[in-house]
Amino acid sequence: DIVVTQSPDSLAVSLGERATINCKSSQSVLYTSNNKNFLAWYQQKPGQPPKLLIYWASTRESGVPDRFSGSGSGTDFTLTISSLQAEDVAVYYCQQYYNIPFAFGGGTKVEIK
Amino acid sequence: EVQLLESGGGLAQPGGSLRLSCAASGFTFSTYAMNWVRQAPGKGLDWVSVISGSGGYTDYAEYAKGRFTISRDSSKNTLYLQMNSLRAEDTAVYYCAKGGGDSSYRNIDYWGQGTLVTVSS
Repeated sequence: DIVVTQSPDSLAVSLGERATINCKSSQSVLYTSNNKNFLAWYQQKPGQPPKLLIYWASTRESGVPDRFSGSGSGTDFTLTISSLQAEDVAVYYCQQYYNIPFAFGGGTKVEIK
Repeated sequence: EVQLLESGGGLAQPGGSLRLSCAASGFTFSTYAMNWVRQAPGKGLDWVSVISGSGGYTDYAEYAKGRFTISRDSSKNTLYLQMNSLRAEDTAVYYCAKGGGDSSYRNIDYWGQGTLVTVSS
C-alpha cells in the first residue's frame, strides 16, 4: 500500500503571509503514460465536509482562489497558500488515487499567528 | 448543482449491521465512480470503498473487505454501503463522495455532509 505523509502537523501563519504544506508518498504516483500525478488536495473547515482544492497535483478546481497552488511530481508534493486569509483556517489533506487503497495524509492544521 | 445526501447512520451494537444510503442529484449518476470515506471523531480522513459508474468494479480498504459491501442503483440515483460485523473502531462519520470522472481512479470532487455511525453496546 502507498503511505502518504504530510508535514508539518500544524502551522501558524500571519495574515497575508505564505503557508506551505508538504505531502510525501511512499512510492511514485506519477502515471508515466499520461504524465499525470494522481494526487489531490482538500480543505476541511470545522463541522464541514472536505472540499476539493487541487487535483492532478497542480490543477486548481473551478472556483478555488488562485492563492492556492499545488506543485511537485513523483513522490514529493506541496500545497502553497500564497497570502493567507482568515477564511483559510482549516485542516488540509492530500490524497493519492494512483493505487487502492486511496490513502490520505494525516492532515495539516493551518491557523492564524 | 451536485447534491449528495447520506442517511442510515445511527447506533449499532458490536457485531451488528447498518446500511447507509446516499441520494445523488445534479449530475448523471451512472457516469461517475462513487466512494465512501469515513472520519472517526477528531481524526483524519480514511478511504473506505469505491464503485465504478456501471457498478461492475468495486474495491475496498483492507479492513472493509468481507464486512462492507458497496453498491449502487442508477434507477434511484442512490449509492449504498452495507456494513456487517461492525466493530467499535468503525465509529465515524461516513461521507458519500463523487469521483471526478468516469474512471474509478480519480480524485473526489464533491462530498456529502456525512452520516454518523456509532458502534457501542
